[in-house]
Parts: sequence; structure tokens; C-alpha cells
Amino acid sequence: DVKVTQSSRYLVKRTGEKVFLECVQDMDHENMFWYRQDPGLGLRLIYFSYDVKMKEKGDIPEGYSVSREKKERFSLILESASTNQTSMYLCASTFGNYNEQFFGPGTRLTVL
Amino acid sequence: GQSLEQPSEVTAVEGAIVQINCTYQTSGFYGLSWYQQHDGGAPTFLSYNALDGLEETGRFSSFLSRSDSYGYLLLQELQMKDSASYFCAVNTGFQKLVFGTGTRLLVSP
Repeated sequence: DVKVTQSSRYLVKRTGEKVFLECVQDMDHENMFWYRQDPGLGLRLIYFSYDVKMKEKGDIPEGYSVSREKKERFSLILESASTNQTSMYLCASTFGNYNEQFFGPGTRLTVL
Repeated sequence: GQSLEQPSEVTAVEGAIVQINCTYQTSGFYGLSWYQQHDGGAPTFLSYNALDGLEETGRFSSFLSRSDSYGYLLLQELQMKDSASYFCAVNTGFQKLVFGTGTRLLVSP
């Protein structure tokens, strides 16, 4: 079974803090994605990566950055957290041109 | 801009059939996917249509008409466990997905 894990299920941070969200997949997938999910807005793509050290902006990259130093790990970084970044963050992975994305359980981030 | 429209909520009873529609307007189109998400859970993949027509997987079927920029998910023999949110998503290229806002399906006894 494909397994995508995320470092925390719940996280509370203060405005201005630097926040790291970690995602690890165990199936040697090339492609990894970070989404945020907000009520009424669905899932929106923040950043994605096709390979180690590669990254591409998604639809809402402002205020975020990413890091992919190893194939299995994709990190989302909030350089200076703001209250409007309070959300559910979902990581996903897939390989090649495979159509199914495999999602992690999500991290619910609250920024106070 | 890019947009996918789906109804916000659909209700049905056990054993019934329900159809969730999705219309899309995107800058690129390689296929339409459907995902299911239970409350508190992760989205899970249901189906993918790259070509026009109907794809059937057990009780679930998905349809695509590229000329109409339209697709739907058909759920048959509804069960209580089908109560969940359903998202359509367009592959705009390189497995990059644009998601709809989701349809909450409530199945009652």
C-alpha cells in the first residue's frame, strides 16, 4: 500500500513564526504536491515537484516556499505565518503519468 | 481563470442512484478525476476519464463530454458509507490538478 505521511495532524503557531510542514511518501514517487483545503474553496495547489530539487509554483504560492532534498520528502515552508494561512494542508504524491494522486492525512494548521 | 462548478450538496436515500455534475473551464485539459473525502479523512481517488464516454467501476461510474466541458459521477445502490464529499478535478497538464469546490452527499436511511 502507498503510504503518505505528514509530520503533524494538528499544529498551532503564532503570527510571524516560521513553520515547516513535512511530507514523506514510501513508494518512490517522482511527483509530490502541496494543497490547502478551505471550506467552500476545495483543494488549491500551492506547489509541486517532479523530482529532487525541482519545484514549480501552483495556483496560490504566495507566502509559501518548498524544499525537496530527497525524493521521498517534500516540505512546505511558511516563512512568516499569517492568520490567513490557517487551513488544512494536504500533501499528495504520484508517479510518472499515473492519474491517481495519493494523499496524506493532512495537517490542520492554526495561526494565532 | 480556471473554474470547476459542482453542486454544493446532494441528498438521497439508501439504495437510490445519485448523479453529481461537474462543469469546467480550464486553461488546459488532459482528463477529469473524481475524489471522495470522508469527514476528517484524506481524499481518495475514484475514477479518471481522459476520453468521452462512461467508465464503470463497481457501483460508481463517471462520464465525460469534452465538447460540453462536462462530466458527472454516478453512484448507484447508495449506502450510508457513501456519505462524504466528492470533488471533481481537471488534470491541466503534468498531473497538475485543479479541483472543484466539492459536493457534500448525504445518504439517509
